[in-house]
Formats: sequence, structure tokens, C-alpha cells
Amino acid sequence: AQSVTQPDIHITVSEGASLELRCNYSYGATPYLFWYVQSPGQGLQLLLKYFSGDTLVQGIKGFEAEFKRSQSSFNLRKPSVHWSDAAEYFCAVGDEGGSEKLVFGKGTKLTVNP
Amino acid sequence: GAVVSQHPSRVICKSGTSVKIECRSLDFQATTMFWYRQFPKQSLMLMATSNEGSKATYEQGVEKDKFLINHASLTLSTLTVTSAHPEDSSFYICSAPTGTYEQYFGPGTRLTVT
Repeated sequence: AQSVTQPDIHITVSEGASLELRCNYSYGATPYLFWYVQSPGQGLQLLLKYFSGDTLVQGIKGFEAEFKRSQSSFNLRKPSVHWSDAAEYFCAVGDEGGSEKLVFGKGTKLTVNP
Repeated sequence: GAVVSQHPSRVICKSGTSVKIECRSLDFQATTMFWYRQFPKQSLMLMATSNEGSKATYEQGVEKDKFLINHASLTLSTLTVTSAHPEDSSFYICSAPTGTYEQYFGPGTRLTVT
């Protein structure tokens, strides 16, 4: 069965610094990969997705992610973090059984220091 | 973009009572909806897949008699927590897939059982 690993439970960065959130997946074929953001007490908002094609995908709010098949990774990046980016970030992979289910990582909480 | 709503956003109920949570797709039809449960500071756990016109499909370990799901129309799914107990207190999130694994998430319902 597929799985998603987000190695970092909590990351703290200073406002204006660059950010990289790690995500590794286990999947048999070409995965459908997603990054979602969740603000406290809120639902999830899609930041970006990868289905095929260009391995560097651009998302909303200045985020991007790069799919690296050789490393089974889909790391999320942002060149300059804003205080409003403080939130929980979830990486997810589509269920290889074709059910449209998503398998989520445990999440990374981002704290932004002024 | 597509919007999914949930009602109520917060609910407090007494132990032993039942509570219903509604999930609506506002501008698209959803033959399938997903129900997730999120414990504090944890990831989303898929509880069940709600299917319009047929029975819900529950994930392993989820009590179908406790968490009743009804997908009454192409825009409405409901989750009823029956005979609620304090351990059922959690954040419940629904989502609706729009094709190719992409899902739109509701804002969540915070259930507190006293």
C-alpha cells in the first residue's frame, strides 16, 4: 500500500527566509501528488498538484514543488516566507487502486518568526 | 472554484445523544464524498466513502453503526454520530472529488461531546 512520509513534524523559519518542506512517498506507479495547507480550525486548501509532465509545479501563494522520481520525493518550497504562511502542511498521494482516495502524510507545522 | 460547505462548524452535544453533520457541494455534483476525522495535531484519517444512491464504504476499524452516512443527493452527504461519547470529540472534515483525484475540502466541523 502506498504511504506518505513527512519527516519534519515542526519547522520554524524567520519571515523572509526560504522554506523547504519534505515529502517522500511510496507508490507503485506514477503517483498523483498533492500539497495542502490547513490553517488552525479550518479545512484544507490545495496548494499545488502533480499528475504528469513538468516535474516542477507552481502553486498558489508563491509555492512550488518538485517531483523527483529517483528520490520518491515531492518537496514543497517557497523562496521567501510570509508570516501568513504559518499553518499545517500536508502532503498527499492518490490511491493507486483508482478509488480517488488520498493518503496523507502526518503533516508539518510551520511557525514563522518575525 | 468549487466549494464544499459543512454545517454546523461547531457543535457541542451531551454524551449519549446523536449529532448530524452535513456536507454540501455548492456548485458541482458529487456522486462520491469522503469523510475524514482529524485528531488534534494529527493527520486526516479517512473514515468512509459516501456514495450517492448506495451504501457508504467504511475504512477498516470504523464502526458503521456508530458513524451513519447517508448520501441523499448529488450535492449532500450527512454523517451522523450516534450515541456520542467524549472519545468521539474530534474535527470532522468532508471532501468531494472533482475527478483525477483532486478533492475539495469542507471547512470542517468541530464536535465536542460532554
